[in-house]
Amino acid sequence: DAGITQSPRHKVTETGTPVTLRCHQTENHRYMYWYRQDPGHGLRLIHYSYGVKDTDKGEVSDGYSVSRSKTEDFLLTLESATSSQTSVYFCAIKEGLTYEQYFGPGTRLTVT
Amino acid sequence: KNEVEQSPQNLTAQEGEFITINCSYSVGISALHWLQQHPGGGIVSLFMLSSGKKKHGRLIATINIQEKHSSLHITASHPRDSAVYICAALELQETSGSRLTFGEGTQLTVNP
Repeated sequence: DAGITQSPRHKVTETGTPVTLRCHQTENHRYMYWYRQDPGHGLRLIHYSYGVKDTDKGEVSDGYSVSRSKTEDFLLTLESATSSQTSVYFCAIKEGLTYEQYFGPGTRLTVT
Repeated sequence: KNEVEQSPQNLTAQEGEFITINCSYSVGISALHWLQQHPGGGIVSLFMLSSGKKKHGRLIATINIQEKHSSLHITASHPRDSAVYICAALELQETSGSRLTFGEGTQLTVNP
């Protein structure tokens, strides 16, 4: 357990509404990541952060934005949710010494 | 073509059997990460290895860097081993810390 929590754990929202998912960590890790997991695909990187206010895009970043104003919180925002963004979203942190990534419990998002 | 491919996609075994899951990758990597995803959805890190073999309990992971291939073995399998096993190729990167490219996972079911 790397002290990672995600909220909410489940959310149903309508197309066109904004949605923000929160990832919170308690162990002061520098690197944080947002992934989505869909059937037929492996986990895919959406955005990552390498420090407070330092973020960059991953391979599937279109339609998503992120913010990191504090070390412990990494927010993922869907500005205008679409049905294609129905997915399970995982946050992860990188352990500094071994480069292993540790994952939060996931958020299941359904866009209707 | 995925950069990381796992086989088989699905595997059903009887309790007590020796199980092998294979992972082949086409990217140059620093290490290979094996993960387990429980039926409830949580993702747990099993191993990170860059050469040779690692063992933890009944789990053994091996990697052959020259052949770009890794295997995860489970000895004396048990129904509680039923899960999705995911391999991910790790590339160290300056800004992101580490980039993981994930396989699609192997669904393992162990019957009593």
